Amino acid sequence: SQQGEEDPQALSIQEGENATMNCSYKTSINNLQWYRQNSGRGLVHLILIRSNEREKHSGRLRVTLDTSKKSSSLLITASRAADTASYFCASRQTSGSRLTFGEGTQLTVNP
Amino acid sequence: EAEVAQSPRYKITEKSQAVAFWCDPISGHATLYWYRQILGQGPELLVQFQDESVVDDSQLPKDRFSAERLKGVDSTLKIQPAELGDSAMYLCASLVPGQETQYFGPGTRLLVL
Repeated sequence: SQQGEEDPQALSIQEGENATMNCSYKTSINNLQWYRQNSGRGLVHLILIRSNEREKHSGRLRVTLDTSKKSSSLLITASRAADTASYFCASRQTSGSRLTFGEGTQLTVNP
Repeated sequence: EAEVAQSPRYKITEKSQAVAFWCDPISGHATLYWYRQILGQGPELLVQFQDESVVDDSQLPKDRFSAERLKGVDSTLKIQPAELGDSAMYLCASLVPGQETQYFGPGTRLLVL
């Protein structure tokens, strides 16, 4: 498969806990993006981290990037029931503008 | 806030029939993408347009799939004939060239019986 890998495939936590999702990709990248998808809906962009960045924050989101390991992680702090969704990483290769999506992590936040 | 529009939202068809999906990107977004998302997986690119030109259709099954964006605005993706394995969500996305964020429509869920 050309897609990257994400783990875990599914994650169930209680409201207020932190959620961490990991992503690995296969080729050299220009940037890595995280998207969220509510059930049966389109994807919504969350955050982008460039290949020369190691960590980025946006509200309750924290993304890290390790280009030597070709991996990234997304941390959602103080989770809420409304965070329940699938989360996908998407890597943009150094050539072209194609995004290659991972297989996603299904996050369930229990109230 | 401007959104990417897609129709229909749901489509049920029988195998060997023809189906078509429509996408209207955000105004001013010259780049348009069609993705296929199988249940439980991430989206996979089918075709990318820059204005009315195809930039990347390397993963489009050209024996049965076709896509066009005649005036560089809205786009149509067609499958003929549909096969059982085509059951999936078909997503359209657009972006402004030079930007990085793709804006996705709500998708068309296709079921082939």
